[in-house]
Amino acid sequence: EIVLTQSPEFQSVTPKEKVTITCRASQSIGSSLHWYQQKPDQSPKVLIKYASQSISGVPSRFSGSGSGTDFTLTINSLEAEDAATYYCHQSSTLPQTFGQGTKVEIK
Amino acid sequence: EVQLVESGGGLVQPGGSLRLSCAASGFTFSTYSMNWVRQAPGKGLEWVSYISSSSSDIHHSDSVKGRFTMSRDNAKNSLYLQMNSLRAEDTAVYYCARASSLDYWGQGTLVTVSS
Repeated sequence: EIVLTQSPEFQSVTPKEKVTITCRASQSIGSSLHWYQQKPDQSPKVLIKYASQSISGVPSRFSGSGSGTDFTLTINSLEAEDAATYYCHQSSTLPQTFGQGTKVEIK
Repeated sequence: EVQLVESGGGLVQPGGSLRLSCAASGFTFSTYSMNWVRQAPGKGLEWVSYISSSSSDIHHSDSVKGRFTMSRDNAKNSLYLQMNSLRAEDTAVYYCARASSLDYWGQGTLVTVSS
């Protein structure tokens, strides 16, 4: 099973700050890495698919990069509405797996 | 507009069974693979099952293998998860999600396994 390790697990950030979340895979997964945002009592929502592909309707301040084992989700100029838990997910190899999540709090 | 609507959750005793459904609309259901993902209360996301567009490929996580069965009916634009021999640790919100990138999710249905 491929283990995805996210860091940090928690981040407290002021508005307009830049946020970087990393996701490291225990073995190479190519670009089959996706990022989701989940707000309390809501379903997860995809932000980035296949490491760096943007999603229609997702604000441009969200971007993704990486390949192989190391991936990054960047939120440029954080807004209050971005308070949420963020998950990475790999679909390269079964079983599909998720990172443990990164909770982003607004100061 | 893509919509996924789960149903069938509820309270069940350990050892019992439930059948979850996911009704899909707003896209050509028969051309997409689908997944079930669950989230235990206060916990992270866990992939449960995958089915290819034609049902030729079906996979389950080790934690549910032999107890859960995923299926689909492309004529009815519907996805199913038959859950047998339920355990307390299966308590979770169950989501259906489209494609390998999980690009659309339903609202989830809560399954509670308790006596």
